Amino acid sequence: GQNIDQPTEMTATEGAIVQINCTYQTSGFNGLFWYQQHAGEAPTFLSYNVLDGLEEKGRFSSFLSRSKGYSYLLLKELQMKDSASYLCAGATSGTYKYIFGTGTRLKVLA
Amino acid sequence: KAGVTQTPRYLIKTRGQQVTLSCSPISGHRSVSWYQQTPGQGLQFLFEYFSETQRNKGNFPGRFSGRQFSNSRSEMNVSTLELGDSALYLCASSLASGSRDTQYFGPGTRLTVL
Repeated sequence: GQNIDQPTEMTATEGAIVQINCTYQTSGFNGLFWYQQHAGEAPTFLSYNVLDGLEEKGRFSSFLSRSKGYSYLLLKELQMKDSASYLCAGATSGTYKYIFGTGTRLKVLA
Repeated sequence: KAGVTQTPRYLIKTRGQQVTLSCSPISGHRSVSWYQQTPGQGLQFLFEYFSETQRNKGNFPGRFSGRQFSNSRSEMNVSTLELGDSALYLCASSLASGSRDTQYFGPGTRLTVL
């Protein structure tokens, strides 16, 4: 079946850079989404990669390698408000659903 | 533009009861998807509706059902509630039904089954 894996938890220091990895089975995926979810809130869209390479949006960047089934979200100049769960989601080609990873809970320490 | 709204925000039910959750998508969005979120399983896809038709369904029992109205608002129904149905139920809307369309999530309905 299709599967997405990401680390359960990560800790980083305010002002630092952190990379959250996401791996997935290569067949059937049609792009990768990243969402941010603060505790008790709805997931909010961060980025979408359909082609290989790096997409940069301010302090956040997302990378995709389709041949390796690998994506990462890079957060620079970490702020306390970046403490949240980060969800990696694969868009599946040919169907109309998304496969979500279980999320990576990021704690930013002062 | 108003975001996705879900009602109610919190719900407490007992085993065996049934529940109906409501989702109003962003104006102009025609696709509504439903997800169940639990700490151990993450977001699990329930089903997607587009133009009042169910487009896809996840691996959930038939107790979980849904529908979509002509104004794109959607409802999800869970019958014969079980303790394991306690979760955050999220709906997400998108312009169209393609898998490349960005989904925008509502705040969710927190269901507790006692």
